[in-house]
Amino acid sequence: DVKVTQSSRYLVKRTGEKVFLECVQDMDHENMFWYRQDPGLGLRLIYFSYDVKMKEKGDIPEGYSVSREKKERFSLILESASTNQTSMYLCASSVTTATNEKLFFGSGTQLSVL
Amino acid sequence: AQSVTQPDIHITVSEGASLELRCNYSYGATPYLFWYVQSPGQGLQLLLKYFSGDTLVQGIKGFEAEFKRSQSSFNLRKPSVHWSDAAEYFCAVGANTGNQFYFGTGTSLTVIP
Repeated sequence: DVKVTQSSRYLVKRTGEKVFLECVQDMDHENMFWYRQDPGLGLRLIYFSYDVKMKEKGDIPEGYSVSREKKERFSLILESASTNQTSMYLCASSVTTATNEKLFFGSGTQLSVL
Repeated sequence: AQSVTQPDIHITVSEGASLELRCNYSYGATPYLFWYVQSPGQGLQLLLKYFSGDTLVQGIKGFEAEFKRSQSSFNLRKPSVHWSDAAEYFCAVGANTGNQFYFGTGTSLTVIP
């Protein structure tokens, strides 16, 4: 089975801290994604990457950056955490083929910024 | 612009009753359509997907969905709900590049005994 692993299940940080959320997938997928999930807003795409060292902004990239130095790892960085970034963060990966278009999700990281 | 609408924020059904969750989409090309389920404290799991062909697709856990192009809908159904089906359900539309997915805001399902 494909496994997408997020390094932390719960994280508590203080305002202004630099925060790293790590995600690793073990199926050699080209595409990786970071979403945040908030009640009533569903999933909103922050960034995605379709190859090593490549990144594309999603719908809400402000306040975030990403890093993909290796194919299996996609990191989300909050340069200076703020309270409005308290949320559930979901990492996902996908492979691009004609018959296998779907996202595989990690279990999520619940981030609280105090 | 691409978008997905799930008009029902929350639905409550009795165990054993039938279920239909609504999903409408807006997409410029032929859509790839998905339903995901999220149990409490978990990531999202794929229930089913539609790419082409038969417009009635079967998924896991006894779920099915029907693609209706004329109504831009992809409603999820289950004939008899089990208590373990209580979860959040997300409809999504995807591009054929594998790197663009648009999610609805989700429908929370409560199942009462």
